[in-house]
Amino acid sequence: EAQVTQNPRYLITVTGKKLTVTCSQNMNHEYMSWYRQDPGLGLRQIYYSMNVEVTDKGDVPEGYKVSRKEKRNFPLILESPSPNQTSLYFCASSLTLHRNTEAFFGQGTRLTVV
Amino acid sequence: GIQVEQSPPDLILQEGANSTLRCNFSDSVNNLQWFHQNPWGQLINLFYIPSGTKQNGRLSATTVATERYSLLYISSSQTTDSGVYFCAVEGPYNNDMRFGAGTRLTVKP
Repeated sequence: EAQVTQNPRYLITVTGKKLTVTCSQNMNHEYMSWYRQDPGLGLRQIYYSMNVEVTDKGDVPEGYKVSRKEKRNFPLILESPSPNQTSLYFCASSLTLHRNTEAFFGQGTRLTVV
Repeated sequence: GIQVEQSPPDLILQEGANSTLRCNFSDSVNNLQWFHQNPWGQLINLFYIPSGTKQNGRLSATTVATERYSLLYISSSQTTDSGVYFCAVEGPYNNDMRFGAGTRLTVKP
């Protein structure tokens, strides 16, 4: 089954403790991205990747890192989480960008930083 | 960047009623999708519909790309249809999907 898998689904952590949210897709997609969803602000892109070893900032990259060492995986790293990073996070993938291809979203990761 | 507007922002229906949700966008699009966000926060992909009409059970969608709008129809609504419906588009100059603010649908038994 074609899917985007995020882990964990729920996470409560403390300020400053490094964490990684994993994202994996099994569709051989080139394009992957991360979004955060906040009340009143909608979904905003954090980082995206056009292909292996190619990543770039989205609208709200501060406080986040990503890597794309393999095509299927696109982890989101919070080196020193802060309470303002409490949010609902989504990973997405599509075959490519700007070519009329469907985007697939993961189940979401609800992160709370205390 | 491309702007996405959804209407209405809130909609309350009695079970069994029909509804139409609208999405307007400000530029040509490569991609348009409708999602349903359930109470657990999951984004459920309803339609990939950059143009034309599609139907899936009680739901159908139409996108008129030349006039820059899309409509989502829900017929014979059920309580499980409750949640937030998002329209998201990918414009020719964006590197992301741009989401509208959503329509919050409440279906009462």
